[in-house]
Amino acid sequence: KAGVTQTPRYLIKTRGQQVTLSCSPISGHRSVSWYQQTPGQGLQFLFEYFSETQRNKGNFPGRFSGRQFSNSRSEMNVSTLELGDSALYLCASTNEGGELFFGEGSRLTVL
Amino acid sequence: GQQLNQSPQSMFIQEGEDVSMNCTSSSIFNTWLWYKQDPGEGPVLLIALYKAGELTSNGRLTAQFGITRKDSFLNISASIPSDVGIYFCAGHGITGNTPLVFGKGTRLSVIA
Repeated sequence: KAGVTQTPRYLIKTRGQQVTLSCSPISGHRSVSWYQQTPGQGLQFLFEYFSETQRNKGNFPGRFSGRQFSNSRSEMNVSTLELGDSALYLCASTNEGGELFFGEGSRLTVL
Repeated sequence: GQQLNQSPQSMFIQEGEDVSMNCTSSSIFNTWLWYKQDPGEGPVLLIALYKAGELTSNGRLTAQFGITRKDSFLNISASIPSDVGIYFCAGHGITGNTPLVFGKGTRLSVIA
């Protein structure tokens, strides 16, 4: 069974730009969650989508947004990038038991 | 919001030693999960616990769901160099469909 696939793996942007990250969940998993990981803050929950609807949202500004498509694939977007947005962005898909399975992440560097 | 306190933050141990780390919460959790993250990779699920008091093993790893439902521990026996990494505890609160909350991780270094 293929795992969670995230693209791109690495990207560099400059302040003020916007970025879109993509996630393909494990086949059959309908829930996709996004986390931001930084050295000082650990894994911070961004949002969760289930059947194309946002089910939960973390404490991030409106510059962070996401969506889920009918095939369960998900994207997240960050607009007006700031230096502090540099992080590893992790996507995870959830099985029916509530276990999260993570992708390898997209490492974003904002210059 | 819910928070998990994970300790210790980091550990340096000799190869062959046993390791213990734990996680506590101020609120009750329905599920406890333990993950390991290698550099440049996403976290990988090691053990999942669903019932208070449950003790589950996965090879040299053993984890327990505390009786109070507010804590969990992970033990690694006879550590080897490939055990190096960051270990995270995570849990689901009792309210339905709450997101998984993570501890800040325990960084394990193994000295050969």
